[in-house]
Parts: sequence; structure tokens; C-alpha cells
Amino acid sequence: DTGVSQDPRHKITKRGQNVTFRCDPISEHNRLYWYRQTLGQGPEFLTYFQNEAQLEKSRLLSDRFSAERPKGSFSTLEIQRTEQGDSAMYLCASSLGQYEKLFFGSGTQLSVL
Amino acid sequence: DQQVKQNSPSLSVQEGRISILNCDYTNSMFDYFLWYKKYPAEGPTFLISISSIKDKNEDGRFTVFLNKSAKHLSLHIVPSQPGDSAVYFCAASVSNNNDMRFGAGTRLTVKP
Repeated sequence: DTGVSQDPRHKITKRGQNVTFRCDPISEHNRLYWYRQTLGQGPEFLTYFQNEAQLEKSRLLSDRFSAERPKGSFSTLEIQRTEQGDSAMYLCASSLGQYEKLFFGSGTQLSVL
Repeated sequence: DQQVKQNSPSLSVQEGRISILNCDYTNSMFDYFLWYKKYPAEGPTFLISISSIKDKNEDGRFTVFLNKSAKHLSLHIVPSQPGDSAVYFCAASVSNNNDMRFGAGTRLTVKP
């Protein structure tokens, strides 16, 4: 059981730089989610894929954010022109289907200086 | 818009006693509720869930109660163990909507 893996675990970047995170879901899961969590808050939904199709995007996902899941397996989340307010834990999760529990990765902690 | 609220940021209980974690929600369309547990440096892990057609679901030491009229759910842990010390998140979702909403979490500390 490899679980959901995320890379990198930590990322420190300067304001204005672009960053990209990777998520590898559990292999048989066709649903993949991205969440963002800030200190003292619960995870906030960003976007969701079913296979390679991005089916939902939160209004939290500004134009600087883009997510892909090109072959319905791993996913990437890119943030362009990072801002200090982007500093957060970015969590990826996967599931077998609706009403199925989410399996979360350990997250990528982003710090924008 | 905080649709799922956990008003107690922390809770401390003695080992062997009952832990009760509370969660309130405002969206009457929510029909599926979950509790997740999170240890430091790890992602949240699923603990227990309940659909709106039930008012109670039990799994070992963990029981979730749902009061739809009050828009309230609670997680009971009996007996509490030191290994239960973690942050607990309440989450809720609506049918055909993948936007699962989480509360801010309650940090449970179980003292030996």
C-alpha cells in the first residue's frame, strides 16, 4: 500500500517565482483532489479531477493556479507569480468514487518569502 | 463562508474517559459527514462517516451522532487513549458535489 505521495514535502520560494507540486494518487483511484490548508484552519477545496478531466474548481483557485492530470494518474499543481498569501500546506487526496473516503497525502508545505 | 464549524479549538481528557468532539453546520443540503484525524507532519486520515439517513454510526471505540434538526454532529471516543491525541476535523458534503467542507479542527489531548 503506497498511499498518496506528494513531492516535494517542503518548498521555499521567493515572491514572484513559479512553483509546481506533484501528487501520485493510489493507483486504482480515479478521483483526485487538491486542497489547501492554512494554520488553524481545515483543508479548503481547490479542485477535483475524475480521471484526466478537471470537473470542478473552487473560486479560491485564482488564474495564477493551474492543475493538470494528463493521463489520469499523477497530477501537478502549478502556482505562477507566487504571493506571500499563497504560503500554506497543499494537500492532495484521492478516492475510488463519490461517497468514498478521501485518502490524503502528507502535503507540500509552501513558504513564499 | 464557514459552513462547517468546530467551535472548540482544543480538548483535554484523561485516559480511559470519554472524549466528545462537536461540529455544527449551516448548509441543510449536506448529506454526508465524516471525521478525519491528523497527526503532525501527516495528511488527515479517515476515521468514521455517517450519511444523513442515519443518526448514529459506530466503529469500535468511535461513534458519530448526527442531529439533523440541530445541524449538529459529534464524535465520541470511549475509552480515550493517549494515541488518540491528534487534531480532529469534521467534514461535510452534498450529493453530486465534490466540494467537501472541513471545519477548523479540534486538537484532542489524552493525558495518561
